[in-house]
Amino acid sequence: GESVGLHLPTLSVQEGDNSIINCAYSNSASDYFIWYKQESGKGPQFIIDIRSNMDKRQGQRVTVLLNKTVKHLSLQIAATQPGDSAVYFCAENAGNNRKLIWGLGTSLAVNP
Amino acid sequence: KAGVTQTPRYLIKTRGQQVTLSCSPISGHRSVSWYQQTPGQGLQFLFEYFSETQRNKGNFPGRFSGRQFSNSRSEMNVSTLELGDSALYLCASRPPGQYNEQFFGPGTRLTVL
Repeated sequence: GESVGLHLPTLSVQEGDNSIINCAYSNSASDYFIWYKQESGKGPQFIIDIRSNMDKRQGQRVTVLLNKTVKHLSLQIAATQPGDSAVYFCAENAGNNRKLIWGLGTSLAVNP
Repeated sequence: KAGVTQTPRYLIKTRGQQVTLSCSPISGHRSVSWYQQTPGQGLQFLFEYFSETQRNKGNFPGRFSGRQFSNSRSEMNVSTLELGDSALYLCASRPPGQYNEQFFGPGTRLTVL
């Protein structure tokens, strides 16, 4: 079946360090892979997406890497700040019905 | 633009009761999706509505239903509540043609006792 999973449920980093959040997926036919951030008490917020024919995409302080060979997705956050503390979800847009399939999330804690 | 709003924010019900949750999407967004979020299962897709029609449905029992009105506002209903229905119910809207970026409301926290 289709699934999106995360390697690490929690990640703790020092303020100013770079963070790397990993995600594994199983559906090679997905068109897009997406990262969302969910802060406490709020709904998820879109961060960045990457099309399946790309292997890297950069945003503001974030970079997403896609390795289709091993079905692995990662989100890199540069110079992590306290405001980056949240749960990060990867999701994939699979199939013609455009339904998003979500991973379980990784909690990122930024230590001052 | 105002964001997605959901009411109520918190709800406590007992087993066997039914509940109706409401979602107002961002102005101009005609697609509304509903998700159930629990610590063990993450975000599970319930259904999506577009122009008052259900376009997609997740793997939930028939006790979970929804509808969308002509102004794009949406409601979801859960009948015969079970303890396992306790969760955060999230609503998300998106503009036409955009599938990856959904705009979520803060959710309704449902507790079933």
